[in-house]
Amino acid sequence: QSVLTQPPSASGTPGQRVTISCSGSSSDIGSNTVNWYQQFPGTAPKLLIYSNNQRPSGVPDRLSGSKSGTSASLAISGLQSEDEADYYCAAWDDSLNAWVFGGGTKLTVL
Amino acid sequence: EVQLVESGGGLVQPGGSLRLSCAASGFTFSNYGMNWVRHAPGKGLEWVSYISDSGRTIYYADSVKGRFTISRDNARNSLYLQMNSLRAEDTAVYYCARESKGGGHTYYLDYWGQGTLFTVSS
Repeated sequence: QSVLTQPPSASGTPGQRVTISCSGSSSDIGSNTVNWYQQFPGTAPKLLIYSNNQRPSGVPDRLSGSKSGTSASLAISGLQSEDEADYYCAAWDDSLNAWVFGGGTKLTVL
Repeated sequence: EVQLVESGGGLVQPGGSLRLSCAASGFTFSNYGMNWVRHAPGKGLEWVSYISDSGRTIYYADSVKGRFTISRDNARNSLYLQMNSLRAEDTAVYYCARESKGGGHTYYLDYWGQGTLFTVSS
């Protein structure tokens, strides 16, 4: 059971906008910033969003992140087939002294 | 170019031990905290352990506390994970990941190795 809660799946058609939610608590998302990772099968996770809404160099601006209270979300607009992957949210938990992850959301492009 | 290369995976019997290594290059290793994160088959990512840049601060996930030991050698630009009393549920791909600091009190795992797989099975 993951500390952060994400929907197990999400889907959309090319060009659509999809959002993936991430719910936590006062000791993790409520106290610290949220990061998002993208992972393709058999490969290492890649940082997509850090500090709630910052994109590392090379990440397209059609990806965006937001946070409110103890929840966060990742939005992908102009959905493309290459966006089909697993997405994880993560935050530091001050009570556990641990990085906590969501269970992951499998994004399918229909 | 930042590179993290894990090694040491394989097949281990339950109750056995194994040491994973992560060789870092392309950045000043001694300036960064480092983490181990694992990905078990069919499951999500799970954080395992953290060590600060100096090695003085260390944290573990409850699932590995008392069995795993994280360490680093800044002179060798290397990170290690000594794993003892291994269980079937420790089977996973293990990634080392660099931890960077953003503005204010913000942190993130920005670079990950390619991972090393080990299986605990009799």
